[in-house]
Amino acid sequence: DQQVKQNSPSLSVQEGRISILNCDYTNSMFDYFLWYKKYPAEGPTFLISISSIKDKNEDGRFTVFLNKSAKHLSLHIVPSQPGDSAVYFCAASGDGQNFVFGPGTRLSVLP
Amino acid sequence: GAVVSQHPSRVICKSGTSVKIECRSLDFQATTMFWYRQFPKQSLMLMATSNEGSKATYEQGVEKDKFLINHASLTLSTLTVTSAHPEDSSFYICSAHTGTSAYEQYFGPGTRLTVT
Repeated sequence: DQQVKQNSPSLSVQEGRISILNCDYTNSMFDYFLWYKKYPAEGPTFLISISSIKDKNEDGRFTVFLNKSAKHLSLHIVPSQPGDSAVYFCAASGDGQNFVFGPGTRLSVLP
Repeated sequence: GAVVSQHPSRVICKSGTSVKIECRSLDFQATTMFWYRQFPKQSLMLMATSNEGSKATYEQGVEKDKFLINHASLTLSTLTVTSAHPEDSSFYICSAHTGTSAYEQYFGPGTRLTVT
């Protein structure tokens, strides 16, 4: 049973528009969340994190929103750029050290 | 979806001993497997890329003689931490690549190594 789910395997967005990537989790003990970006044949790159004491964290074009009651988080990218095309993984942890990863969502930003 | 397992999930060893971590793709053949190290609240660090039947490719700064990687079959890669030291204590994660698409990569659950 997947503890971290990313139900959209792929997403296409026009350049300049907003990209919204969603992630759901089942374990209520998770209190720290990360988003990674991954290009083919490369390791994941850390993007942004959020702890359960917050409901929003912003870093440049990237904003992560956390809804604890719904066990849902989302990553917003505004404005989307072609270089953002990659696979995005969310990951969750209950201790800040051991992380469970979602299956990823492939984002394609169309010029 | 594709499943990747790691064994053991947790291991505690004494300083100076060696530890082997297994990564298996359970329902697909993985032409390539990746090994990562996760630091607390930080990004994953790619350690090496393991191709079946050939030598692993190590990232800069990763000691190949300390972190031995063997990809003996299309479903199994092993990482052996030799002469472990407390600073090697970390969370090690593997991922497996199906080869059909560069984006299809599945992460294992990770192995927590503690060196005392």
